Amino acid sequence: NAGVMQNPRHLVRRRGQEARLRCSPMKGHSHVYWYRQLPEEGLKFMVYLQKENIIDESGMPKERFSAEFPKEGPSILRIQQVVRGDSAAYFCASSRNRTPNTEAFFGQGTRLTVV
Amino acid sequence: DQQVKQNSPSLSVQEGRISILNCDYTNSMFDYFLWYKKYPAEGPTFLISISSIKDKNEDGRFTVFLNKSAKHLSLHIVPSQPGDSAVYFCAASVNNAGNMLTFGGGTRLMVKP
Repeated sequence: NAGVMQNPRHLVRRRGQEARLRCSPMKGHSHVYWYRQLPEEGLKFMVYLQKENIIDESGMPKERFSAEFPKEGPSILRIQQVVRGDSAAYFCASSRNRTPNTEAFFGQGTRLTVV
Repeated sequence: DQQVKQNSPSLSVQEGRISILNCDYTNSMFDYFLWYKKYPAEGPTFLISISSIKDKNEDGRFTVFLNKSAKHLSLHIVPSQPGDSAVYFCAASVNNAGNMLTFGGGTRLMVKP
């Protein structure tokens, strides 16, 4: 049973370009969570999705960021018109159920660098 | 406003001794607390958790203590091993918020042989 798969592992974008980060949850998991880790900081919750639905996006910046989790395929975190401040590690976690918390597994992350 | 704080960015311990990592929180709605371990270039892996109805949870070499009145928790690792060297994150949630976790800034633990 493969773990949470994120790709790409590293992504370099120029300012103004779009970044698309993919997350394939573990088999049987229908809940996906995206977190962002800025340099030297802890992880910060961005968005929680369940198949085809955004459950909570309270941590998402209001502009340029969007997320989806279609019926088929991976969850996508999309960042439009990237700026240098978007440079961070983006982690996805998945779980089978909403709770308990211990059953969430994290992917290895995508490191976005904006140049 | 940081709701979960780990005030020690780093900790160095000799192999075989006890490692104590501390975490403070401000939101009294938090009722579930977790510790994650993270190696470089990898995602966090779950280590141990504690519900607010308990004050201690033990799993092998790892014990988490919760002091609700002080809004403080700690992770004890005994005995410490070089393989424990990693960044440790404290996280908290309101249980009905599922896996929407609020993380502390992390403590880098170095266990010297």
